Amino acid sequence: DTGVSQDPRHKITKRGQNVTFRCDPISEHNRLYWYRQTLGQGPEFLTYFQNEAQLEKSRLLSDRFSAERPKGSFSTLEIQRTEQGDSAMYLCASSLTTGASYRQYFGPGTRLTVT
Amino acid sequence: AQSVTQLDSHVSVSEGTPVLLRCNYSSSYSPSLFWYVQHPNKGLQLLLKYTSAATLVKGINGFEAEFKKSETSFHLTKPSAHMSDAAEYFCVVALYNTDKLIFGTGTRLQVFP
Repeated sequence: DTGVSQDPRHKITKRGQNVTFRCDPISEHNRLYWYRQTLGQGPEFLTYFQNEAQLEKSRLLSDRFSAERPKGSFSTLEIQRTEQGDSAMYLCASSLTTGASYRQYFGPGTRLTVT
Repeated sequence: AQSVTQLDSHVSVSEGTPVLLRCNYSSSYSPSLFWYVQHPNKGLQLLLKYTSAATLVKGINGFEAEFKKSETSFHLTKPSAHMSDAAEYFCVVALYNTDKLIFGTGTRLQVFP
């Protein structure tokens, strides 16, 4: 179990640029989640996948945000035309949905700074 | 709607003294509740979870939490704080019949020698 990994760990970008983050879940996990955490707040749910199917994206913050999980393994989160308000920590988590007792395992996050 | 409220944004204790981090929940259904810990530059780690079994839940690193329906509370405790316990702690509720997590605003625990 190598854990959930995220790349990059830090990203600094200029306003208006596009950024893409990658998340590699624990290998056998079928669910993958994205959260955003702003300074002084708890993580906020954005979207999640069951294998390659995106089950909910209504909480994605705007149409500038999109996520994919094309082969049901790794996932990418893209933010187009970044704004200063997008500066935050973006967290990925994964889980294995067997029975009622699930647990989400979180990665270390990608910290985005928009200048 | 389901939500959690963490009553203290900061808690400071001396090493070896008890820890109490307070959390109240709001839910129309029997909730699934969790405590997560976040150390700097590390991923969120699950401390413990309550899913309608025993009301006193034991977690890792000596932490435990008690589900009190009458008080709508799920406070986290530890008998004796250790320096390594210094971190941010989040009380979390799962949206009913889903695995979408709703986090509280967090409590920063400081432990002084």
